[in-house]
Amino acid sequence: DSGVTQTPKHLITATGQRVTLRCSPRSGDLSVYWYQQSLDQGLQFLIQYYNGEERAKGNILERFSAQQFPDLHSELNLSSLELGDSALYFCASSGRGRSGHANSPLHFGNGTRLTVT
Amino acid sequence: GDSVTQMEGPVTLSEEAFLTINCTYTATGYPSLFWYVQYPGEGLQLLLKATKADDKGSNKGFEATYRKETTSFHLEKGSVQVSDSAVYFCALSDYGGSNYKLTFGKGTLLTVNP
Repeated sequence: DSGVTQTPKHLITATGQRVTLRCSPRSGDLSVYWYQQSLDQGLQFLIQYYNGEERAKGNILERFSAQQFPDLHSELNLSSLELGDSALYFCASSGRGRSGHANSPLHFGNGTRLTVT
Repeated sequence: GDSVTQMEGPVTLSEEAFLTINCTYTATGYPSLFWYVQYPGEGLQLLLKATKADDKGSNKGFEATYRKETTSFHLEKGSVQVSDSAVYFCALSDYGGSNYKLTFGKGTLLTVNP
């Protein structure tokens, strides 16, 4: 058990809709990272937050947004969903990471599988 | 920019066979290198890491050596088990500008048959 909790485990929705994915990091970790995993694109880094502030941005679409709350949990919002957004979305956390990923290992949750129909 | 290239899978082996999964990288700085493993239905977890040239990371019988001259970090195990069946990701962490960035390879699916 990594200590990172993601909800829901599965999500099925229609094109054009909006969903929110939630992540609770490992106790004490200040950094939260979001990744998208699909068969054709592999594992893509979306965005990182450190102690409530955005620290790094990857290949995140404008239709997607995220935030980290004072209790350090994070939410990833996906809107105007398209079929191509179907993927596994992972959250990871680390203890450090004020300057990004650094050298500390990431602890991954088990992911949210999003299916857009 | 930084990139990681790993051998394409799937890789299928019999139990007790020798495993090598190749990984090469390009980086602008002096990166740290990692292998992560993803078991079915789970998230990724760190398998091993190396932070400087000639370092050898090891864990659970897996090893990888940081080779700066060949920009490689190949994963090896002398005798695989059915329980090693998973997807293996090579990754690098490099500092660029104001942030470190972790870059993953596409992953290699390993299936070990009894």
